[in-house]
Amino acid sequence: QQPVQSPQAVILREGEDAVINCSSSKALYSVHWYRQKHGEAPVFLMILLKGGEQKGHDKISASFNEKKQQSSLYLTASQLSYSGTYFCGTERAESSGDKLTFGTGTRLAVRP
Amino acid sequence: DTGVSQDPRHKITKRGQNVTFRCDPISEHNRLYWYRQTLGQGPEFLTYFQNEAQLEKSRLLSDRFSAERPKGSFSTLEIQRTEQGDSAMYLCASSLKRRSSGNTIYFGEGSWLTVV
Repeated sequence: QQPVQSPQAVILREGEDAVINCSSSKALYSVHWYRQKHGEAPVFLMILLKGGEQKGHDKISASFNEKKQQSSLYLTASQLSYSGTYFCGTERAESSGDKLTFGTGTRLAVRP
Repeated sequence: DTGVSQDPRHKITKRGQNVTFRCDPISEHNRLYWYRQTLGQGPEFLTYFQNEAQLEKSRLLSDRFSAERPKGSFSTLEIQRTEQGDSAMYLCASSLKRRSSGNTIYFGEGSWLTVV
């Protein structure tokens, strides 16, 4: 039931791009993306509600393919502040039960 | 705008002792969640409330764990007879679900528990 994230870890140089994927074996109602820095709480980035929806936030954007039960997070022109662990949280379609199930995370390190 | 606040932020306790964590959600939020997170893992759902009603509990939540939200505002999570395996960060989160914008969940800073 836990969504699968890939890759597990990424190392980038400042200015490079990255894609983080999240896939589920269950039908999804929504996908939520969070970034967590070491020792801190997860910080909300964005929520995607509809199949095929895309959203953007500064140079971070995401897509949600409802039919494939997949979401991707796109980080463009990465900055040092993007470093952290990225989690997707999924809300299942049949319950719309409000709780999120989180993946195991993708560690992103941005180097100067 | 006050975020989700948790207290205490850190707790070290001896095995077998009871501990209680408090969470104050964002004021207008009617949903409140408890998650647990260990190193290298994503947050793991424990339980959630809508107002004062506890609507769902994870099977992971043993009888030693109990959560309350008596007046639909703050919540407490108590762990009785703590075990070393309970060592983790306990995250509280809250949300206000809107049909147009979904159920955005905001986390507090977490309460770190170390059982020695």
